[in-house]
Amino acid sequence: QKEVEQDPGPLSVPEGAIVSLNCTYSNSAFQYFMWYRQYSRKGPELLMYTYSSGNKEDGRFTAQVDKSSKYISLFIRDSQPSDSATYLCAMVEGYQKVTFGIGTKLQVIP
Amino acid sequence: DTAVSQTPKYLVTQMGNDKSIKCEQNLGHDTMYWYKQDSKKFLKIMFSYNNKELIINETVPNRFSPKSPDKAHLNLHINSLELGDSAVYFCASSQLWAGTGVARGRTGELFFGEGSRLTVL
Repeated sequence: QKEVEQDPGPLSVPEGAIVSLNCTYSNSAFQYFMWYRQYSRKGPELLMYTYSSGNKEDGRFTAQVDKSSKYISLFIRDSQPSDSATYLCAMVEGYQKVTFGIGTKLQVIP
Repeated sequence: DTAVSQTPKYLVTQMGNDKSIKCEQNLGHDTMYWYKQDSKKFLKIMFSYNNKELIINETVPNRFSPKSPDKAHLNLHINSLELGDSAVYFCASSQLWAGTGVARGRTGELFFGEGSRLTVL
C-alpha cells in the first residue's frame, strides 16, 4: 500500500462547479498537509498549507484535514478554466521529507 | 526574477552517456532538493541537501550523484544513462524549520524550478 493514495483522474467539470479533490494516507507520522498545483510543463507551486485537523479557507479554496480518518480534501468553489491543472496532495513527516500523491488532473470546461 | 532556476530545460541524449543538470536558487534558503517526476506524473524525492550537507538520500542508483558547491546551488550528475532515466527532474528549495520554536519557514513548503525534461534514446 502506498503511503499516500490519490485518484489520478482526469476530472472534467463545467465552469462554476464545485470541485472536490481527495487523498488518503496511511502514515500516522505525517504532521503537515499541503496541496500543490502544477500547470502543464511547469513546476508545482504551493496552494494550501495546513497542520491540524479542520478546515482552512483561502478565497475559493478550502483545505480540509481529518487526521482520525487519515483523509484530506481540497474544495474549489466557482471553478474557473484557469484552475485546470494537476493538483498534488503532499504530506510531511519529521525532517523535511515530503511525500506527494500522484496528482489529480483537473479540467474545467468553459 | 526567477527564484529557482535549472538548466537545461530540455535534454535529449543517447543511452550510456553522462549528463548534468544545474540548479540555482536566489531565495536564501538552506535546503535544496532533487525530485524526479516520471511519465505517470509521480513526483518522488531523490536527494536533499542542507547547507551543502546531504540529509536525504532515497533509494537512487549510484549513477546519480548530486553536488552542492554552496547552499545556493545543487547540481545533479547522471552517469551511464538508461532508458528508465527519462523523466522530468525538478529542483526545489525550502527554508528549514529552525527546531528552536522560531519558525524560519514552513516545513515542507517547497519552491520548485520549472523542471528539466530528460529523454534518453
